[in-house]
Amino acid sequence: GAGVSQSPSNKVTEKGKDVELRCDPISGHTALYWYRQRLGQGLEFLIYFQGNSAPDKSGLPSDRFSAERTGESVSTLTIQRTQQEDSAVYLCASSPDRSYGYTFGSGTRLTVV
Amino acid sequence: DQQVKQNSPSLSVQEGRISILNCDYTNSMFDYFLWYKKYPAEGPTFLISISSIKDKNEDGRFTVFLNKSAKHLSLHIVPSQPGDSAVYFCAANRMDSNYQLIWGAGTKLIIKP
Repeated sequence: GAGVSQSPSNKVTEKGKDVELRCDPISGHTALYWYRQRLGQGLEFLIYFQGNSAPDKSGLPSDRFSAERTGESVSTLTIQRTQQEDSAVYLCASSPDRSYGYTFGSGTRLTVV
Repeated sequence: DQQVKQNSPSLSVQEGRISILNCDYTNSMFDYFLWYKKYPAEGPTFLISISSIKDKNEDGRFTVFLNKSAKHLSLHIVPSQPGDSAVYFCAANRMDSNYQLIWGAGTKLIIKP
């Protein structure tokens, strides 16, 4: 596709359940980032993938969060045993290299009830 | 520790007037600054950037000013148009990072007709 695609666009889940969020970056973009934005707060870095290098996981808030990316394709962000504080918009962005030209997806709004 | 601060959660400006969005930072290692614009239900889109070696960068109606001694930058939009109504995020990059951006909390700009 022409842009970064994220699915689902909205997800409501019960506390304690696992969720999986998907990001389909722009074809050819080697860098992929996951961010989240909680209500009233700025964008919070979660994880960064660059090509086949080991991902930078320094932003993941707890071991309940994990992400995978195979090569330069789709990435999935998994949150296990969701908590109410996980409620946020989760944004994925990709860029062609280690540059500043991020293209963001529309995000997944996660609500944990 | 909030390294990038946007102290005004919202700003209301009359159409045709100048909009000034402010951003302060605390980390002297930041060497690149960006502004992103975000409409509801969409991901942020890149607007304009400035390197720390400059104090001004202009692109059409948008100008970013950087005051390194004050650790302050601002985005000027002139003249303001109704389509400029959005949330504006300031972001900064650390020289020692993987091009990860540190984000402010955003300022909601409302342009009144």
